[in-house]
Amino acid sequence: SQQGEEDPQALSIQEGENATMNCSYKTSINNLQWYRQNSGRGLVHLILIRSNEREKHSGRLRVTLDTSKKSSSLLITASRAADTASYFCATDANQGAQKLVFGQGTRLTINP
Amino acid sequence: DAGITQSPRHKVTETGTPVTLRCHQTENHRYMYWYRQDPGHGLRLIHYSYGVKDTDKGEVSDGYSVSRSKTEDFLLTLESATSSQTSVYFCAIARQADQETQYFGPGTRLLVL
Repeated sequence: SQQGEEDPQALSIQEGENATMNCSYKTSINNLQWYRQNSGRGLVHLILIRSNEREKHSGRLRVTLDTSKKSSSLLITASRAADTASYFCATDANQGAQKLVFGQGTRLTINP
Repeated sequence: DAGITQSPRHKVTETGTPVTLRCHQTENHRYMYWYRQDPGHGLRLIHYSYGVKDTDKGEVSDGYSVSRSKTEDFLLTLESATSSQTSVYFCAIARQADQETQYFGPGTRLLVL
């Protein structure tokens, strides 16, 4: 069963606007990660936030984690056309072998 | 790209035939994973490996087997392909230096008729 549920399933915004995607999960975790997938390609790791962290930044990306609500959000600021992709959250629930459980993804479209 | 290749990249096969997908890595990483990606389901783990001859089942392992006789190769076999196994298959590795993060191959598109 899916650990992560992402919201919204699809998001369309204008270039330059900020994009926010949310992820909820069910069990306790070691860390939560966000990946990007361009159409027809493999996933690319964006950022990892550990269970004892609340916020993390990487360039135009900001991730928050609320373990009490079992939720995370990914904010992309000043969006660009190249940010058009699907974004997935993945959780490491300490099941060993660094297994990740992925959400269903948010499809982000940046309109020029 | 973590030196991961998958072959074939595209395959069309018929129901009931066996199919083997290959994942090859060039950096001797210990952990390797096979996922399938279907619309509405995200990525689901099929099997994974934590070393040569050490493999285990993931969430959706029925109808699939794997083998890892060399560090660099992780093979996924559909023993008797079914239409429900039409999917995009991704291989991933976790690097020794950063085992929490996974790096993905380009994927194999499989169509079972």
